[in-house]
Order: sequence, then C-alpha cells, then structure tokens
Amino acid sequence: NAGVTQTPKFRVLKTGQSMTLLCAQDMNHEYMYWYRQDPGMGLRLIHYSVGEGTTAKGEVPDGYNVSRLKKQNFLLGLESAAPSQTSVYFCASSYREKLFFGSGTQLSVL
Amino acid sequence: SQQGEEDPQALSIQEGENATMNCSYKTSINNLQWYRQNSGRGLVHLILIRSNEREKHSGRLRVTLDTSKKSSSLLITASRAADTASYFCATDAWGTYKYIFGTGTRLKVLA
Repeated sequence: NAGVTQTPKFRVLKTGQSMTLLCAQDMNHEYMYWYRQDPGMGLRLIHYSVGEGTTAKGEVPDGYNVSRLKKQNFLLGLESAAPSQTSVYFCASSYREKLFFGSGTQLSVL
Repeated sequence: SQQGEEDPQALSIQEGENATMNCSYKTSINNLQWYRQNSGRGLVHLILIRSNEREKHSGRLRVTLDTSKKSSSLLITASRAADTASYFCATDAWGTYKYIFGTGTRLKVLA
C-alpha cells in the first residue's frame, strides 16, 4: 500500500516548456487535490476533483489544467511554464474528510 | 482569498514547554483540521474538530474552536525536539470539499 505517489520528484523546465505531473493513489479515494507551496504562503489549492471524470478550480488555477480520467490518477499540466510557477507541488487524496499527501514535486522554471 | 492566517509565524521553545499556535479563517466552515509538515515533506493529518465542537484532545494535542471569532488554537503539551515542524490549519466550507490551508506556524523545540 503505497498511499499517494507523485511523479517526478524534481524537475527543471525552461520558460514556455510544458509538462505533466502525475499523482497516483491506491486507497480508492474519491477526492483528489493539487496544491502548491511557496515560502510564506502556506499551501494554495490549484484544482481538485470529487470523482472520476470531474475537476474543479481552486484558489490559484490560472496556468494549470487537470484531468481525472481514472479514479486513481490525477494529472496536473502546465502548458507553457512561467518562472512564477516555480514551487513545490503536493498532491493529496481525501477519505472521511482527512487529507493524505504525497511527498511533493519540486519544480523550477528558469 | 479564503486562506486563513496563523500566528505566530514562528515559535521557538524549550523541550518540555507547551506550544500554542492560533489559526483564523474567513468563512463559515464544516470542520477545521490541523496538519504537520516536517522539513519539506508531505503534510500529515493530526486532528479534526467539527464546527459544532468546542474542544478536542488527542494525546498531547488539544484543539479549541471558536466559530463566533472564526478562530482555532492548537496546544502541544510537554513538547519534544521531535515536534519541531511546521503546523497548518485547514478548513472546508460547507459542502464544497475544498480544503483551504493557513499560512502555517514554524515550531522549533530546543533540546
């Protein structure tokens, strides 16, 4: 039982490049979330999903897209990366109102 | 922004002392939760208190909630060096399933 797994753990992009972050959970949770964490800002919700095939915007959705084609996976896409998207990204799934987090992806956009 | 505020931003105490951190939020909530984060790792759930509860205990943790003031406090008693971490509160508004985090308190417990 791996819990919530994020891929990759580290990535460096050039401005304008695109990439997809993968979040996978093996706990059969309905709800999944993407957050970004910046120094002094805490965690900010980017997008979330309340079930397979559904997505919704969070606090800071601009510049990101998401997909939840399978219940166990939640993908976060950056179509054209910008330096302002340099951050640590955390995925989480939820069961009975408690969040279970992955270990994070450190993304740098140069 | 719905994001809550926590204070203090940073707290340094001696081992054995109690640590208190506070969280304020902006909207009506279903529940409030506290999470812990060790040095850049993923967050770990500590405790959940519902909007109709005023106080809850779990081991050395005590959480209070005052919905009239839209605030909560987390007390860690008899702190240990291993409690050194960042602590975050998170709230969800009724029926939204959106969990919004506060800005966090960095706790350092000195041995």
